[in-house]
Amino acid sequence: DVQLVESGGGLVQPGGSRKLSCAASGFTFSSFGMHWVRQAPEKGLEWVAYISSGSSTIYYADTVKGRFTISRDNPKNTLFLQMTSLRSEDTAMYYCARGEVLFAYWGQGTLVTVSA
Amino acid sequence: NIMMTQSPSSLAVSAGEKVTMSCKSSQSVLYSSNQKNYLAWYQQKPGQSPKLLIYWASTRESGVPDRFTGSGSGTDFTLTISSVQAEDLAVYYCHQYLSSFTFGSGTKLEIK
Repeated sequence: DVQLVESGGGLVQPGGSRKLSCAASGFTFSSFGMHWVRQAPEKGLEWVAYISSGSSTIYYADTVKGRFTISRDNPKNTLFLQMTSLRSEDTAMYYCARGEVLFAYWGQGTLVTVSA
Repeated sequence: NIMMTQSPSSLAVSAGEKVTMSCKSSQSVLYSSNQKNYLAWYQQKPGQSPKLLIYWASTRESGVPDRFTGSGSGTDFTLTISSVQAEDLAVYYCHQYLSSFTFGSGTKLEIK
């Protein structure tokens, strides 16, 4: 079965940094594009970033461009999201999701809270 | 950026009733080269991650009950649940993937 398990969330001060991880199993990780999608408390879904299977193509939402970096380690079946210059509006549950344009599989999410 | 507008924001129905919810895009998500609508629907139950229900506007994901039907083209789309079950309590999001990725604000379905 496909499994995606996020980790790395927690409380971060405004202006701080945090690195999220997503451990993948149950499929050939190196064959699939991956995304990060976030959801602020009691709010809707917001796409954050995409990385292709071989890391050659990367896209970001305008709201995080220049502050967040998506990357992956295919031999370790792990997706990352490095977040810097964090703001209160980045407070959200962060999900990793598998797919090129569709989000067919999702992890359970990891909560990032940006607050002093 | 393509904006997605969903309505209503919430609705409450009794089990067994038919439900329809709307999703409108600010630009067409129909790609002329392949005549496919780049529109999907997701279901998010309380405390859970979203689940893909429908893609290409009307193709049901494997394992999704046939009471869920997606329809529409261009800028106007509908998700219909033919006979609502208690387990369908959830927020439903539409999602366009033609140009970047954007979601609607969701329709919350409550069961009376």
